[in-house]
Amino acid sequence: QQQVKQSPQSLIVQKGGIPIINCAYENTAFDYFPWYQQFPGKGPALLIAIRPDVSEKKEGRFTISFNKSAKQFSLHIMDSQPGDSATYFCAAQASGYALNFGKGTSLLVTP
Amino acid sequence: GAGVSQSPSNKVTEKGKDVELRCDPISGHTALYWYRQSLGQGLEFLIYFQGNSAPDKSGLPSDRFSAERTGGSVSTLTIQRTQQEDSAVYLCASSPAWGTDTQYFGPGTRLTVL
Repeated sequence: QQQVKQSPQSLIVQKGGIPIINCAYENTAFDYFPWYQQFPGKGPALLIAIRPDVSEKKEGRFTISFNKSAKQFSLHIMDSQPGDSATYFCAAQASGYALNFGKGTSLLVTP
Repeated sequence: GAGVSQSPSNKVTEKGKDVELRCDPISGHTALYWYRQSLGQGLEFLIYFQGNSAPDKSGLPSDRFSAERTGGSVSTLTIQRTQQEDSAVYLCASSPAWGTDTQYFGPGTRLTVL
């Protein structure tokens, strides 16, 4: 069963737009929530991660918003660029266990 | 230093054959993970090694799948009697230690079973 549900499956935005990708989970034991970025032919690379003791984390143009009560978290990409076009995966992990990944969101940023 | 490397990058095999996929983790990383990425299915955990501890095999889909890690470094994932549904990209990742540390992924091996 999919422990992390990710939406949308695909997303198209214009350059400068703010794509938002959402994830939801059920397991309250999860305590680490990373986002990975994957380009074609490459392995996923960690983009940004958050723990449930904070509600928001920013790194450059990337922001994670975390809602512990709703068991949801989202990725926002500010001032998106064509180079941000990639597949984005959210994940969740309970300490001592493996990462559980969402199914991914294919993002296309048009010029 | 070098990142995680995997070989071969592509493997085409016939149904029923055995295949071996190799992973070289980042030097000094004690934790090593195998994942399978199927089209539209995200990344599926297969197996995890941490130091000299017994591996966590809870994600292996069947007894046709096995993995070993020699000398705490290189790992080999073996799939016996391959089936068409085994076709996927097999990703290896390593991290400095178990727990919620960053996992560094290799480029993957694309396996196609005809």
